[in-house]
Formats: sequence, C-alpha cells, structure tokens
Amino acid sequence: DIQMTQSPSSLSASVGDRVTITCRASQGIRNDLGWYQQKPGKAPKRLIYATSYLQNGVPSRFSGSGSGTEFTLTISSLQPEDFATYYCLQHNLYPWTFGQGTKVEIK
Amino acid sequence: QLQLQQSGPGLVKPSETLSLTCSVSGGSTSVSGFYWGWIRQSPGKGLEWIGSMYYNGSTYYNPSLKSPVTISVDTSKNQFSLRLSSMTAADMALYYCARARGWFGFDYWSQGTLVTVSS
Repeated sequence: DIQMTQSPSSLSASVGDRVTITCRASQGIRNDLGWYQQKPGKAPKRLIYATSYLQNGVPSRFSGSGSGTEFTLTISSLQPEDFATYYCLQHNLYPWTFGQGTKVEIK
Repeated sequence: QLQLQQSGPGLVKPSETLSLTCSVSGGSTSVSGFYWGWIRQSPGKGLEWIGSMYYNGSTYYNPSLKSPVTISVDTSKNQFSLRLSSMTAADMALYYCARARGWFGFDYWSQGTLVTVSS
C-alpha cells in the first residue's frame, strides 16, 4: 500500500496567516492527489484535485502543488471558515489511501 | 447537482452483515467514466477507502479489510450498495458513499451513516 504521511498533525494559526500542509507519499503517485476539508459532523469536501486544480466554488486562497512524492496545500490568508481538518488522498494505485489529517485551530 | 443519499441500519450485531445503500440523484450509475465507492472513518484509523465499483461493474476492494466486502449496483434503481460480513467492533465507523469521476478521486460524498456493532 502507498503510505501518505501528512504534516503537521495539527497547527494553530490566526486569521490572515499563510498556512502550509504537506503530504508525502511512500512512492511516486504522479499528480494523483486530492485535498479535502472536513468540518465537525460533515462529510469531507474536496478542495483540490490532480494536485493543483481548484474544485469549482472553492476560494482561490486555496492552492495545491507538488509532484511525485511531495505535495503541499497552501491557504494564502486563513479565514474564520477555514478552521477544520484537512486530508490528502492518493488515487494513483489501489488501495487508495488518505493522510492522517491536519487539524487547523484558532490561535 | 449530484446528490448521494445513504440508507441502512446504524446498529449491527457482532458477526452479522452490514448492508448500506447509496441512492444517486442528479446523475446515473450507468454512465461511463465514473466510480462509485465506499469510505469509512473511525477515530482509530482515520479515513479508510473500502472499495469502489466502476460503472461497468468492475470492483476493487481494500485488501486490508478483515471482513469480507461486496459492492454492487442496481442501475434500475440508480443505487449502489455495500455489504460487509462478519462485523466486529473494529468495523464501527462513520460510513460514506462517494463518487469519483475517472481517475480524479472522490468529488461527491454522502452525509454518512454511523454504524455501531453491538449485541
């Protein structure tokens, strides 16, 4: 199985901060990676697909980059509604695997 | 706008079979290019992909699941289903159904069903 190592597992940040979350794959996955946001009691919502493509309706402050084994989700200016848990998902090889999540909390 | 509506019991007895159904509206389970999948989420294991079915009926399952899994589709009802046999406490989780368009990961998710295993 491809292991997805996500870091950090949690972070505290203030509104307006730039936030970066990283996912590292145990082997190359081309650009077959997505980023999801999950709020309490809700299903995950996709923000980014194919590493860097913004899902329709997602604010442009979210961006994704990377290739191969190292991927990054960046929130350019954190907003109050962005406090949530973020996950990466590799869909290059079965079984598809998720990162363990990054909880973004208010500082 | 695609919508996925799950149905099924929230309580299953140990060793029994979990059956969940996902009803699709705003789209079709028989259209080419889409995968229909199941994911679960538990505090201990995070998000775990259970399996997916391609529109043509091909199925792919996570080999790490200890309980036997079957995903099937009923195109006449525009639904797809999950059966997880021999349920144990380790299978307690929030279960989601979801759609993937091509090889781009899951874009639409259901609201989820919390499944408890208890006698």
